[in-house]
Amino acid sequence: AQSVSQHNHHVILSEAASLELGCNYSYGGTVNLFWYVQYPGQHLQLLLKYFSGDPLVKGIKGFEAEFIKSKFSFNLRKPSVQWSDTAEYFCAVHDYKLSFGAGTTVTVRA
Amino acid sequence: KAGVTQTPRYLIKTRGQQVTLSCSPISGHRSVSWYQQTPGQGLQFLFEYFSETQRNKGNFPGRFSGRQFSNSRSEMNVSTLELGDSALYLCASSSGQGAGNTEAFFGQGTRLTVV
Repeated sequence: AQSVSQHNHHVILSEAASLELGCNYSYGGTVNLFWYVQYPGQHLQLLLKYFSGDPLVKGIKGFEAEFIKSKFSFNLRKPSVQWSDTAEYFCAVHDYKLSFGAGTTVTVRA
Repeated sequence: KAGVTQTPRYLIKTRGQQVTLSCSPISGHRSVSWYQQTPGQGLQFLFEYFSETQRNKGNFPGRFSGRQFSNSRSEMNVSTLELGDSALYLCASSSGQGAGNTEAFFGQGTRLTVV
């Protein structure tokens, strides 16, 4: 089964700063990749997904991610964060199940 | 349309007891997966049911079991509870038709505390 590695445990930013969260998965082949977000007190929500096609995918709330097959990576980016982006972010890959990374807590300071 | 509904939202049980958690998927979804979320282990896959059959299973002891009904609602059961079973249990539903190229929708979870 796939394993997923997220590079940062906790990221602290100021509003308007750019955000990039790293994600690597363990092996290649056909992969379905996801970024989920969990806002405080809320359920996991899908930010964006990659199944095939354009490796640069755009999601909700201004987030985007780039799939780089040669690096087994699927990094999440947002050019300018807002206070409301404070949340925990999970990268996930689906083989026969969703395998999640450990999560990155993002704190945006006003 | 209504989202994934999990009941109850909170539970407190004593070691050795058993517990049943319920999940109602999004209408039309036939796949229900269960995950355990803890601060130490993160999100771990328990099992997946599709059309009343367990399709995949994670690495949890046999004390963890589940089932799915003909209306796609699912229950998971944990017997002989241990302190380490304290966690947020999440249910996710999807159409389940593809090999993973479908989106999973998550419920708000059931927070189980074992004392």
